[in-house]
Amino acid sequence: KAGVTQTPRYLIKTRGQQVTLSCSPISGHRSVSWYQQTPGQGLQFLFEYFSETQRNKGNFPGRFSGRQFSNSRSEMNVSTLELGDSALYLCASSLAKPGPEETQYFGPGTRLLVL
Amino acid sequence: GEDVEQSLFLSVREGDSSVINCTYTDSSSTYLYWYKQEPGAGLQLLTYIFSNMDMKQDQRLTVLLNKKDKHLSLRIADTQTGDSAIYFCAELSGTYKYIFGTGTRLKVLA
Repeated sequence: KAGVTQTPRYLIKTRGQQVTLSCSPISGHRSVSWYQQTPGQGLQFLFEYFSETQRNKGNFPGRFSGRQFSNSRSEMNVSTLELGDSALYLCASSLAKPGPEETQYFGPGTRLLVL
Repeated sequence: GEDVEQSLFLSVREGDSSVINCTYTDSSSTYLYWYKQEPGAGLQLLTYIFSNMDMKQDQRLTVLLNKKDKHLSLRIADTQTGDSAIYFCAELSGTYKYIFGTGTRLKVLA
């Protein structure tokens, strides 16, 4: 069974631009969560989607948005990029609602550099 | 507030035991986790412990939980060079969010 895939793996953008990242969960998984990883902050939760609905949201500005499609694939979008948005963006999928019985499987991440 | 703290670095010699510590703040957290991240890879779940347990052992890994002090630790016995990675503790909060620590970079010296 293929793991969680994320595209692209690396991305360079300039301030003010926008970016869209993609995540394909493990087949059969319906929950997709997004995290931002930076050296000083660790992993910060962005949002979680289940059956095309955002179920949970972290404390990020409205420039960060996401969506989920009927095939469970998810995209996240960051508009008006700032230098501080440079990070590794990780996607994780699970069968259903994140929780103790539902292990999250992580993708390799998309490394975004904002110049 | 939601905050999980870990020391940033740990260095041990091959064959020694490693102990990685973590403190969390959400007393309503039901489960606590340890993840491993190797270079260029996503996070891999190592083990988890239910909040009403105080210890869990899984082969070379031992998790200790002190719920009163909100302190979690991961002990790796007979540490190998392949254990070099970043280790994250995480709590599953009462609102079903995973809250991760800053990560501890473990370096194993041959």
